[in-house]
Amino acid sequence: AQSVTQPDIHITVSEGASLELRCNYSYGATPYLFWYVQSPGQGLQLLLKYFSGDTLVQGIKGFEAEFKRSQSSFNLRKPSVHWSDAAEYFCAVGAVGNEKLTFGTGTRLTIIP
Amino acid sequence: DGGITQSPKYLFRKEGQNVTLSCEQNLNHDAMYWYRQDPGQGLRLIYYSQIVNDFQKGDIAEGYSVSREKKESFPLTVTSAQKNPTAFYLCASGTSVYGYTFGSGTRLTVV
Repeated sequence: AQSVTQPDIHITVSEGASLELRCNYSYGATPYLFWYVQSPGQGLQLLLKYFSGDTLVQGIKGFEAEFKRSQSSFNLRKPSVHWSDAAEYFCAVGAVGNEKLTFGTGTRLTIIP
Repeated sequence: DGGITQSPKYLFRKEGQNVTLSCEQNLNHDAMYWYRQDPGQGLRLIYYSQIVNDFQKGDIAEGYSVSREKKESFPLTVTSAQKNPTAFYLCASGTSVYGYTFGSGTRLTVV
């Protein structure tokens, strides 16, 4: 069965600093990988997704993620965070033939001035 | 614009009462999903439906019921058998290949 691990429950970053959120997955075949963001009291919004091809994926709001098959990772990065990036971030994995996505437990991002 | 609409945004339930949360999508997606979210916790799958007139239990289906009579609609009923229903409920549609689109959620509170 596929699984997703987000090792960091909570991360605090200074505004303007760089960010990396970790995501590790377990799946035998080629995975389809996603990052979602959730602001308080809101639904989840898709930031970016990886299907195949270029392992560096660009998303909305200045985020990017890199797929590393050898490390089974799909880490989310941003060069310089803004106070509005404070939110919960979820990594998810899917695959052809699977009925549903598998989500990680999320990483809460706090931005300090 | 295509999307998912959840209503109401806030819902209050008295003890012993059934309440129904609405979820409507105009994305022409076959599959729809209901998740429960508790403070500081991730997403827990309640029910999902791959096609009209068919649905499957998720990880925490006890105390909940659903129907899927139309492709666009997937309402969730929180029954009196659900002893701790206070939570944030999210509806989604899509596939595990292309990802999900989520609604903006319904916050249910027991009073």
